[in-house]
Amino acid sequence: LAKTTQPISMDSYEGQEVNITCSHNNIATNDYITWYQQFPSQGPRFIIQGYKTKVTNEVASLFIPADRKSSTLSLPRVSLSDTAVYYCLVGLTGANNLFFGTGTRLTVIP
Amino acid sequence: DAGVTQSPTHLIKTRGQQVTLRCSPISGHKSVSWYQQVLGQGPQFIFQYYEKEERGRGNFPDRFSARQFPNYSSELNVNALLLGDSALYLCASLKGTGGYGGELFFGEGSRLTVL
Repeated sequence: LAKTTQPISMDSYEGQEVNITCSHNNIATNDYITWYQQFPSQGPRFIIQGYKTKVTNEVASLFIPADRKSSTLSLPRVSLSDTAVYYCLVGLTGANNLFFGTGTRLTVIP
Repeated sequence: DAGVTQSPTHLIKTRGQQVTLRCSPISGHKSVSWYQQVLGQGPQFIFQYYEKEERGRGNFPDRFSARQFPNYSSELNVNALLLGDSALYLCASLKGTGGYGGELFFGEGSRLTVL
């Protein structure tokens, strides 16, 4: 089971780009990298998923180097509403032991 | 379309009691997973069910049990409640069995407080 390491917390000013890096040294060949966002007392919400190189959607980008041992979630021009905990998961979506870890608590400052 | 719905949203129990939490997945989704989230920590996997069969179980005691019904809804039961069972219980639905890339859809959770 590929576990992940990510910073416990980060602070950023509004309007800045935020990059959160996740290490996953023992990622398996078939594993996907998925990021979720969670607000207090709510369920996690899917942000983005990738397998290799770069993936971009309307809210974020995900950068994955060739060795896939790490990944970086990039949030462009964050706002106060982006204050949340961000989880990096490595594995297969339906895997019955997907590991969330403690996540990164992002605080956006006005 | 409705998302994943969970009930009740909040409940308070005393030690030794039993609790049943309910989850309705997104229409068309056949897999349901349960997670426990203690304050300040990430969600921890408890169970996964697909087509009424248990597909996986996390590191939780036998006091925790679950089942899935023909309409794919699910119940999580916890017996002999302990103070440490106080947590947000999350249900997530998935279209298939998994084993591929894709998205878990989470409900808002059931907040259980054990006194």
